[in-house]
Amino acid sequence: GDSVTQMEGPVTLSEEAFLTINCTYTATGYPSLFWYVQYPGEGLQLLLKATKADDKGSNKGFEATYRKETTSFHLEKGSVQVSDSAVYFCALNGRFEGGKLIFGQGTELSVKP
Amino acid sequence: DTAVSQTPKYLVTQMGNDKSIKCEQNLGHDTMYWYKQDSKKFLKIMFSYNNKELIINETVPNRFSPKSPDKAHLNLHINSLELGDSAVYFCASSIGTGNTEAFFGQGTRLTVV
Repeated sequence: GDSVTQMEGPVTLSEEAFLTINCTYTATGYPSLFWYVQYPGEGLQLLLKATKADDKGSNKGFEATYRKETTSFHLEKGSVQVSDSAVYFCALNGRFEGGKLIFGQGTELSVKP
Repeated sequence: DTAVSQTPKYLVTQMGNDKSIKCEQNLGHDTMYWYKQDSKKFLKIMFSYNNKELIINETVPNRFSPKSPDKAHLNLHINSLELGDSAVYFCASSIGTGNTEAFFGQGTRLTVV
């Protein structure tokens, strides 16, 4: 079945450091890909998305490119802030899965001043 | 206005009790979901409804019974609560059952003692 694998956390960075969180997926067909963020004590917020190969999603300085050839959707940010500390989830949504999101295990990011 | 709202935010109850969690969305979406987040923050779908009809039931014990009185509401009733039911339950909605993003509520933290 479809699955998503993220890099293990926690990831600890200093403010203004470069961030990469790796995400790879296994899916039949052509899923849409998403990054969600969960701040402490809150629900999930959509961070960015990409619906087809080579699409780049971007929001709040974060970017991710849908790479069909490597089945990857890595999240990047050039300069992280303390306020970016949260848990980040990569997810996919297959075209014929009834809207079901399949999530990776989440990566906790902690940014120190 | 909160797009997807669920109540209560916290629920502490004893084993064997029956409890309900309510969810409402004001986005005009046709599809609603319940997801469960375990203690390791792993997210997994439980149920999905489209226009009040159940379309996904992911091998959830039948102590869990969703009910959708209309397409803006999806409630979750849990009978005979067990310690292992302790988790955060998220309601979500999406435009339809295609590969689009879902919007999540703030979550209900259920603790069974």
